[in-house]
Amino acid sequence: EAQVTQNPRYLITVTGKKLTVTCSQNMNHEYMSWYRQDPGLGLRQIYYSMNVEVTDKGDVPEGYKVSRKEKRNFPLILESPSPNQTSLYFCASSLMGTGEAFFGQGTRLTVV
Amino acid sequence: GQQLNQSPQSMFIQEGEDVSMNCTSSSIFNTWLWYKQDPGEGPVLLIALYKAGELTSNGRLTAQFGITRKDSFLNISASIPSDVGIYFCAGQPRVATSGTYKYIFGTGTRLKVLA
Repeated sequence: EAQVTQNPRYLITVTGKKLTVTCSQNMNHEYMSWYRQDPGLGLRQIYYSMNVEVTDKGDVPEGYKVSRKEKRNFPLILESPSPNQTSLYFCASSLMGTGEAFFGQGTRLTVV
Repeated sequence: GQQLNQSPQSMFIQEGEDVSMNCTSSSIFNTWLWYKQDPGEGPVLLIALYKAGELTSNGRLTAQFGITRKDSFLNISASIPSDVGIYFCAGQPRVATSGTYKYIFGTGTRLKVLA
């Protein structure tokens, strides 16, 4: 079954404690991206990757890092989380050039 | 950053009614996409549009890529209770810098269907 898997689904953490949200896809897609969803703001792209070792900033990259060492994985790293990073996060993947993205189930992050 | 203006923000409709929503931008887009998000789930692609003027259907859903490349419309005919959810438009803006592949999402239209 084609899917994008994120872990964890829910996470509560404290300010400043580094965390990683994992994302994996089984469709051999080149393009992967991370979004955050906040009430009234829709989804905003954080980072995207067009292939292994190729990443670029989306609209709201501050406070986040990503890496793409393997085609299937695209982890999101928060080196020093702050309360304004409390949000619902989605990972997505697609074939390059189509934009027809498959989304993961989401990770609800709370930073206290 | 760039913004997509999506309207209406929310709507209540009676089962069986037709629904229209739209998305506009101040800049030109190469691609328009429409997604639906159910509670507790990630968005799911409904329709993808790649050419100005393109009109595409998916069952009771019809979407169009505006001629100006700055807008898109989604229509749902004969709505049913399971159409409830949040509908997002999204697009890839045409940018001067080659190799840039950002995607921009609208703020969503929350649809509620009254049986």
